Amino acid sequence: EDKVVQSPLSLVVHEGDTVTLNCSYEVTNFRSLLWYKQEKKAPTFLFMLTSSGIEKKSGRLSSILDKKELSSILNITATQTGDSAIYLCAVGGSNYKLTFGKGTLLTVNP
Amino acid sequence: GAGVSQSPSNKVTEKGKDVELRCDPISGHTALYWYRQSLGQGLEFLIYFQGNSAPDKSGLPSDRFSAERTGGSVSTLTIQRTQQEDSAVYLCASSLVTPDTQYFGPGTRLTVL
Repeated sequence: EDKVVQSPLSLVVHEGDTVTLNCSYEVTNFRSLLWYKQEKKAPTFLFMLTSSGIEKKSGRLSSILDKKELSSILNITATQTGDSAIYLCAVGGSNYKLTFGKGTLLTVNP
Repeated sequence: GAGVSQSPSNKVTEKGKDVELRCDPISGHTALYWYRQSLGQGLEFLIYFQGNSAPDKSGLPSDRFSAERTGGSVSTLTIQRTQQEDSAVYLCASSLVTPDTQYFGPGTRLTVL
């Protein structure tokens, strides 16, 4: 059974701090790893990482996939209160469904 | 264009009643997914549609849960004889082709009293 573990479960930082969120996985026939941000209800897509695209960056957010270690990190620099959310990691394997971790709750205080 | 939409946004029902949750995917997206998110938990996969067929129903928790999709577009998730443990946010997502990036709707918060 595919498995995704995220750490930490929650994190509280001050505006301007840099944070690193972790995701490790066990999956049959790895296909992709995705990061989502969930503020209220709907998760919104951030990045997709695959064997052919192991590093992505968008503004203050960046993510790296380590296929050897079966893990990924999501970095957020110069955090803002608007970054407060649950960050979800999901992995796609051989059976065309995404397996999600439980998420990391990030709180950025002013 | 419009994103994934779901209705109702909130549903409160009594134990034992049936409920129907609706999902309108992004136009042209062939794949559609249903997930459930309980308090403090990650997203739990329920079912996936490719076109109108459901090749993977492995996540449906019990035979009280069923889903259909018509015209390759709208999908309905039906829960019969609801139980309190069915209370959760039900999220729908669609993607252009599997297993592409999935885009999520706003969800339906179901509360079973």
